[in-house]
Amino acid sequence: DTGVSQNPRHKITKRGQNVTFRCDPISEHNRLYWYRQTLGQGPEFLTYFQNEAQLEKSRLLSDRFSAERPKGSFSTLEIQRTEQGDSAMYLCASSFISGTRRLSYNEQFFGPGTRLTVL
Amino acid sequence: AQKITQTQPGMFVQEKEAVTLDCTYDTSDPSYGLFWYKQPSSGEMIFLIYQGSYDQQNATEGRYSLNFQKARKSANLVISASQLGDSAMYFCAMREVSPGSSASKIIFGSGTRLSIRP
Repeated sequence: DTGVSQNPRHKITKRGQNVTFRCDPISEHNRLYWYRQTLGQGPEFLTYFQNEAQLEKSRLLSDRFSAERPKGSFSTLEIQRTEQGDSAMYLCASSFISGTRRLSYNEQFFGPGTRLTVL
Repeated sequence: AQKITQTQPGMFVQEKEAVTLDCTYDTSDPSYGLFWYKQPSSGEMIFLIYQGSYDQQNATEGRYSLNFQKARKSANLVISASQLGDSAMYFCAMREVSPGSSASKIIFGSGTRLSIRP
């Protein structure tokens, strides 16, 4: 399977605990995105990387959230001191941007998501 | 600020009928892209179709077509000959591209739940 993969698929944790999610993008993709989706809503952008550089962070990404993409391949999203409001689906997506493509086109391929439940 | 509006929280359609899912958007930038994604109960977001703001023709992908009305800032998705497997959440989304901006995020609407009746 050469799609975007995310682990774990489900995570249940107690309030105050730290959790870490992993995303493996499509291998040749140089951009990686994190989104959060709460029940009944569309995904909301959190942050994105181009290669290993984190280029943009949403104001939704509080100080308790940190994302890394150390070698420009897989990425991790860590939430420290989880709160019940962090319960959501966390989606990862990847895309490939090159100078030869139309600048306005950026198809993002999504992974299956990690569903976090904070008790 | 950019915004995507989907006014239909849910729709029921008879199998084999065509269905139109509404989407309006708001942006001040002249260059942008519009997407539709399908999200079945499994949770994965599936890309359906893309329309660039400068594209002269409406995008089509198999049974999916995008009715792009730029002056009205409307980007409705049309699914022809609906199938039971089309039952899912559908999200309209927009990506902005502006010179000097790092805006590569996609902004999603709140979605429309489509249910196909046999």
